[in-house]
Amino acid sequence: AQSVTQLGSHVSVSEGALVLLRCNYSSSVPPYLFWYVQYPNQGLQLLLKYTTGATLVKGINGFEAEFKKSETSFHLTKPSAHMSDAAEYFCAVTDNTDKLIFGTGTRLQVFP
Amino acid sequence: KAGVTQTPRYLIKTRGQQVTLSCSPISGHRSVSWYQQTPGQGLQFLFEYFSETQRNKGNFPGRFSGRQFSNSRSEMNVSTLELGDSALYLCASSLVPGSSTDTQYFGPGTRLTVL
Repeated sequence: AQSVTQLGSHVSVSEGALVLLRCNYSSSVPPYLFWYVQYPNQGLQLLLKYTTGATLVKGINGFEAEFKKSETSFHLTKPSAHMSDAAEYFCAVTDNTDKLIFGTGTRLQVFP
Repeated sequence: KAGVTQTPRYLIKTRGQQVTLSCSPISGHRSVSWYQQTPGQGLQFLFEYFSETQRNKGNFPGRFSGRQFSNSRSEMNVSTLELGDSALYLCASSLVPGSSTDTQYFGPGTRLTVL
């Protein structure tokens, strides 16, 4: 069965610093991978997704993620954090029935 | 194009009652999925509807049910509410499931509190 592990429930960075949020997946079939962001009292917003093709995926708000099959990873990065990036981030994988299986989330704090 | 809308946004119920939540998908989207979000269990899949048929179901008791109408709008119902049902219930819509281009777009959620 598919699963997702997000390392680090909380990540803190300074404004302007690199953001790295880790996600590892377990899948018996080629996965579709997603990163979603959730701001307080809101739903989930899609940041980016990997289905097939190019392994470096660019998303909204300057985020990108690289699919590494050999490492079963799909880490999310952003070169320079902004205060507005403070939110909770969820990595997800679809299983062979297409439902989303989410990680436990990583709360990103950005300090001035 | 309007996003996914969910009503009501907030709901307070007492144990034993039942509740119905509503979700209107993005125009043209035919698939609707429901998720429960709690601090303890995180985001968990409830069920998915496509063309008025339940296509997928998560591991939730039979007290949780749903349906989809011909206009793709969906409702979920929880009967005999328990304290543990307090959660944010998220609805997501997508064009057609099973496609590599399929992305689920989420609504703002309904915050259910069971007292």
